[in-house]
Amino acid sequence: ETGVTQTPRHLVMGMTNKKSLKCEQHLGHNAMYWYKQSAKKPLELMFVYSLEERVENNSVPSRFSPECPNSSHLFLHLHTLQPEDSALYLCASSQRSGNSPLHFGNGTRLTVT
Amino acid sequence: QQQVKQSPQSLIVQKGGISIINCAYENTAFDYFPWYQQFPGKGPALLIAIRPDVSEKKEGRFTISFNKSAKQFSLHIMDSQPGDSATYFCAASKHNFNKFYFGSGTKLNVKP
Repeated sequence: ETGVTQTPRHLVMGMTNKKSLKCEQHLGHNAMYWYKQSAKKPLELMFVYSLEERVENNSVPSRFSPECPNSSHLFLHLHTLQPEDSALYLCASSQRSGNSPLHFGNGTRLTVT
Repeated sequence: QQQVKQSPQSLIVQKGGISIINCAYENTAFDYFPWYQQFPGKGPALLIAIRPDVSEKKEGRFTISFNKSAKQFSLHIMDSQPGDSATYFCAASKHNFNKFYFGSGTKLNVKP
């Protein structure tokens, strides 16, 4: 049973749709992350929220919009995506201080048609 | 520029054999080196981690070897089992913030 829960597990959307990915962590962590996982590539950090404030944005296209209403919840809003955005989107959480490991959810498999 | 380079991309090992996965990094400011294990349909899970003040860390059948001067670290899986078949990722981070740089992954297949 993972302490980080992601919904939905699978999502198929057209290029003109708007959808949202949801993440919830039950570990009492104060930092949350969105990662993109594509085949045979390193995990790509998209966004980091620490204490509900966004502190990292690796030049992600504006068609991805994160939201962190509190330390336990994280959303990724999607609109006008491209087929190359199809990937596994992973949410993770950790403690902000020191070298705290990441705890991942099981991801949302996104397919853009 | 990829901060952490991982090899091999895939690995086939017989049951009972030793699996070895290697990683190299560039930034000497990295001070935490975790390994993650990922099964199909699941997110990566922390397997074992090491800090640069030790050269080796062992947990059960899993051992990390760390060579600070060469900026390399490796994962050794002793007595490999079919249940170890998964994708393994190395990573590195700096102390002042939890920004992790990941390798591109190694898909391990342990044949019975």
